[in-house]
Amino acid sequence: NAGVTQTPKFRVLKTGQSMTLLCAQDMNHEYMYWYRQDPGMGLRLIHYSVGEGTTAKGEVPDGYNVSRLKKQNFLLGLESAAPSQTSVYFCASSYDGVLDEQFFGPGTRLTVL
Amino acid sequence: KNQVEQNPQSLIILEGKNCTLQCNYTVSPFSNLRWYKQDTGRGPVSLTIMTFSENTKSNGRYTATLDADTKQSSLHITASQLSDSASYICVVSGNTGRRALTFGSGTRLQVQP
Repeated sequence: NAGVTQTPKFRVLKTGQSMTLLCAQDMNHEYMYWYRQDPGMGLRLIHYSVGEGTTAKGEVPDGYNVSRLKKQNFLLGLESAAPSQTSVYFCASSYDGVLDEQFFGPGTRLTVL
Repeated sequence: KNQVEQNPQSLIILEGKNCTLQCNYTVSPFSNLRWYKQDTGRGPVSLTIMTFSENTKSNGRYTATLDADTKQSSLHITASQLSDSASYICVVSGNTGRRALTFGSGTRLQVQP
């Protein structure tokens, strides 16, 4: 099992450009999450999904959109990138959303110039 | 506001020595507390999870304690190894909602030979 994978690993964007980050999991998990990690701060939840076809806002959703068309994939979109979105993005998945362990992907380092 | 504070922010120890990392939280109501290990350039990996009724849990050389009355947790690492060099993140779940994880900013541990 590959676990949770993320593509791409690195990306540099110019302000105003758009891009999509892809997260895939092969553990048949219902719940998937997108976080961002900034220096000196804890991970912050951007959006999450409790199952195929569902999405919900997390703590810092502004400037991002997500889609969960297939159970195994969770996409994070930036429609018009801003320098404030420079961060490391982590995807995670879990079997259920309460006590179950969240499994994290390796991260995507995004720089917006 | 729910908060998780960790100290120290960084720590350097010699290989073979023990160390203890601290976590204080103000998350309420409390559901569970997790410790994650995050290697540089990688996603976090779960070490332990404790619910309200548990006050200690071990995972190899890692032992976590929880005092729900004082809202404190510690992670003790015994006989440290070079591979223990990483960031250790304390995560608290405030209720049964999957949106409710509050992440600490982590303690960066460096084990030197």
